[in-house]
Amino acid sequence: KAGVTQTPRYLIKTRGQQVTLSCSPISGHRSVSWYQQTPGQGLQFLFEYFSETQRNKGNFPGRFSGRQFSNSRSEMNVSTLELGDSALYLCASSSNDGGGYTFGSGTRLTVV
Amino acid sequence: EDQVTQSPEALRLQEGESSSLNCSYTVSGLRGLFWYRQDPGKGPEFLFTLYSAGEEKEKERLKATLTKKESFLHITAPKPEDSATYLCAVQARNFNKFYFGSGTKLNVKP
Repeated sequence: KAGVTQTPRYLIKTRGQQVTLSCSPISGHRSVSWYQQTPGQGLQFLFEYFSETQRNKGNFPGRFSGRQFSNSRSEMNVSTLELGDSALYLCASSSNDGGGYTFGSGTRLTVV
Repeated sequence: EDQVTQSPEALRLQEGESSSLNCSYTVSGLRGLFWYRQDPGKGPEFLFTLYSAGEEKEKERLKATLTKKESFLHITAPKPEDSATYLCAVQARNFNKFYFGSGTKLNVKP
């Protein structure tokens, strides 16, 4: 079966701009989570969506937001980009039956 | 407070030199413990799920074990291609939250 698909793979944006990242989960998975990964901080949890509702949220500013559609696809948006937002953004989906995550390949965001 | 601690942060081994990575955790109600392998610039790749103390899983040169407080990832006779960062995560029964450790970066020299 197809894995978790994240688009785009790479992005370069300028400070102050906004960006939208997309994630298509494994078919049948209704839970989608987003993580930010940087060399110094490791994996930092952003938020989780389940059946179009935000179920859990990490400690990130309001500039980071997300949503989930009825087909379980998810998007995350970062507004007013800062240099420190440069990171690998990972999406993970799960079936909510205790089977753990399957991760996508990530979107590498560089803010200049 | 729910948390996951991995040790060591980095490990350098010679090819064939077996060792173990540690993941200690505190969580109020363990739903599952997960091991992932991550190569640079890529998403974590699932390795194992463990659900209860005493459980063991094996895959090629890797073997994961679980107790009530920690998990070990044993690497037997590693090869250079085993070089990666190994991540441990626990899922709590409460709200299905996941908690990740900071990882162990393994480097296997030929």
